[in-house]
Amino acid sequence: EDKVVQSPLSLVVHEGDTVTLNCSYEVTNFRSLLWYKQEKKAPTFLFMLTSSGIEKKSGRLSSILDKKELFSILNITATQTGDSAVYLCAVIYNAGNNRKLIWGLGTSLAVNP
Amino acid sequence: EAGVTQSPTHLIKTRGQQATLRCSPISGHTSVYWYQQALGLGLQFLLWYDEGEERNRGNFPPRFSGRQFPNYSSELNVNALELEDSALYLCASSWAGRSSYNEQFFGPGTRLTVL
Repeated sequence: EDKVVQSPLSLVVHEGDTVTLNCSYEVTNFRSLLWYKQEKKAPTFLFMLTSSGIEKKSGRLSSILDKKELFSILNITATQTGDSAVYLCAVIYNAGNNRKLIWGLGTSLAVNP
Repeated sequence: EAGVTQSPTHLIKTRGQQATLRCSPISGHTSVYWYQQALGLGLQFLLWYDEGEERNRGNFPPRFSGRQFPNYSSELNVNALELEDSALYLCASSWAGRSSYNEQFFGPGTRLTVL
């Protein structure tokens, strides 16, 4: 069964800490992996990864994909309280003639001052 | 640039009733996606519309249906509401072509409560 598993489910850190969030997947015909940040309601796009080993970076956030080991990590350095959110991972893959997207349950990050 | 908008913000219905949720995509986007986010279940894909046609459907019963209008706005209908339909319903839009998912921009969601 195709699935996306995120870990940890929940994380509490202090401001200034560095965190690493994991997203592993089991799908056939992988196309790309997406990271989103969901604070209250609407998830906001962070990164799209399609190639192994190429780091995507935006400020204090970075992400990398390992297509051999079937996972991606999202790093946040020098965390701030505004980073508190649920971080969602989604994988796009081919299923027959269709392209599908499957989401993980998310990692809930709380950054305490 | 205006973002994705959804209405209503909250909707309270009773079992057996029908609910209609609306979504307006970002100007220029032709694809609209609907998701259900129930507590503890994460985002569950419901429907994808592009250029007025249904492109893909998640594992939901036929009670969940929708459509996309010529102006690319979309409507999600849920018939014969059940208690477990209570969830946040998110709409997203993108420039996606006919065979792919692209970066999706999400609306604020509609919180549906079924009593």
